[in-house]
Amino acid sequence: SAVISQKPSRDICQRGTSLTIQCQVDSQVTMMFWYRQQPGQSLTLIATANQGSEATYESGFVIDKFPISRPNLTFSTLTVSNMSPEDSSIYLCSVLTSRTSGGYTGELFFGEGSRLTVL
Amino acid sequence: GEDVEQSLFLSVREGDSSVINCTYTDSSSTYLYWYKQEPGAGLQLLTYIFSNMDMKQDQRLTVLLNKKDKHLSLRIADTQTGDSAIYFCAENHSGYALNFGKGTSLLVTP
Repeated sequence: SAVISQKPSRDICQRGTSLTIQCQVDSQVTMMFWYRQQPGQSLTLIATANQGSEATYESGFVIDKFPISRPNLTFSTLTVSNMSPEDSSIYLCSVLTSRTSGGYTGELFFGEGSRLTVL
Repeated sequence: GEDVEQSLFLSVREGDSSVINCTYTDSSSTYLYWYKQEPGAGLQLLTYIFSNMDMKQDQRLTVLLNKKDKHLSLRIADTQTGDSAIYFCAENHSGYALNFGKGTSLLVTP
């Protein structure tokens, strides 16, 4: 398994500001993802955070709005830029664990999420 | 995109079995997952099944997969009040990114 820590766990932000969410994993992982869960909704994939290269964004999400950093195999950040009330959501980091013999386990773990409220 | 469908609500009495159903459309899914989300918490991976299996059992949890009908179910035996939560079905589409259903709210009553 993997232990994933996200900071902040929650925040209240003003319209027009930006906030950076951190995701720390207790082991090296190749595959790391960022998801958004809008109030009362399911999860939507924002992007795959790639180590050493630009993140891969899903349709509807762009780098200018959600810049992502992945400096190493245990850490990533997601910034929500120029926030509006529509960005009020839970943002979750997810990782796919690897087998010691190579390949992936298929197990995808999630952090506790960062609950953002934009006023 | 591909769809994952779940019923929105399920209510059961404590001690009974719960069965949460899910259908999906992507026939190329490799893994199918069940996650649990308690109020104010993140997602807890409950179990997952590889697409070439038709059943997986883990303590009180039984997952059944009918790949022909693209139907996945989660059975919770001896349901307890602590099992009250939202349960999400998910399948991997395009690599390891997940496509989630809208979640089933399970209410367990005494």
